[in-house]
Amino acid sequence: GENVEQHPSTLSVQEGDSAVIKCTYSDSASNYFPWYKQELGKGPQLIIDIRSNVGEKKDQRIAVTLNKTAKHFSLHITETQPEDSAVYFCAASIGFGNEKLTFGTGTRLTIIP
Amino acid sequence: GAGVSQSPSNKVTEKGKDVELRCDPISGHTALYWYRQSLGQGLEFLIYFQGNSAPDKSGLPSDRFSAERTGGSVSTLTIQRTQQEDSAVYLCASSQSSGRALEQYFGPGTRLTVT
Repeated sequence: GENVEQHPSTLSVQEGDSAVIKCTYSDSASNYFPWYKQELGKGPQLIIDIRSNVGEKKDQRIAVTLNKTAKHFSLHITETQPEDSAVYFCAASIGFGNEKLTFGTGTRLTIIP
Repeated sequence: GAGVSQSPSNKVTEKGKDVELRCDPISGHTALYWYRQSLGQGLEFLIYFQGNSAPDKSGLPSDRFSAERTGGSVSTLTIQRTQQEDSAVYLCASSQSSGRALEQYFGPGTRLTVT
């Protein structure tokens, strides 16, 4: 089955700097890659996603890039703010009638004021 | 509109007892998923419903775990004879329709503690 690896497990950046989180996946049939933000005591919140027919997608300060050949995708957060502090999860799905998500192990992002 | 809701938010039970966890998906969402989040295992898939049918139960860890969905809406996850290793946060997610809109929206979860 699908396996998703995520790095780093923890990341601290100064407020205003950029943060990058990277994930690799194993199944070349995967075609949907969402990113979730999870704050303490809450469920994961979908923040951005990308499909396999697109190489990059941007939404304000957040962007995701996908390299299907290398089977990796990354989350980029620019101009980080204290409210960006959370645990971020990447995930992958094959789709075709069952979009169950296989998650990475998470990255705890801390923004230093 | 309202998001995914789950109840109870917290459940403490004694080892060996049965528990039922409830999920109310976003109205109109036909696909529903259960995941489990535990410290050592991260977020793992349990079961997927399309309407009232469960085409993929491959993530259920043992036959003590079962789930059903009625009326294409509410789902319950039942754990029989709970064990300490069942302690985790159980998350429910729903999406608009299988094969088209893939975005899954999660509820706040039920934190289960087995003593």
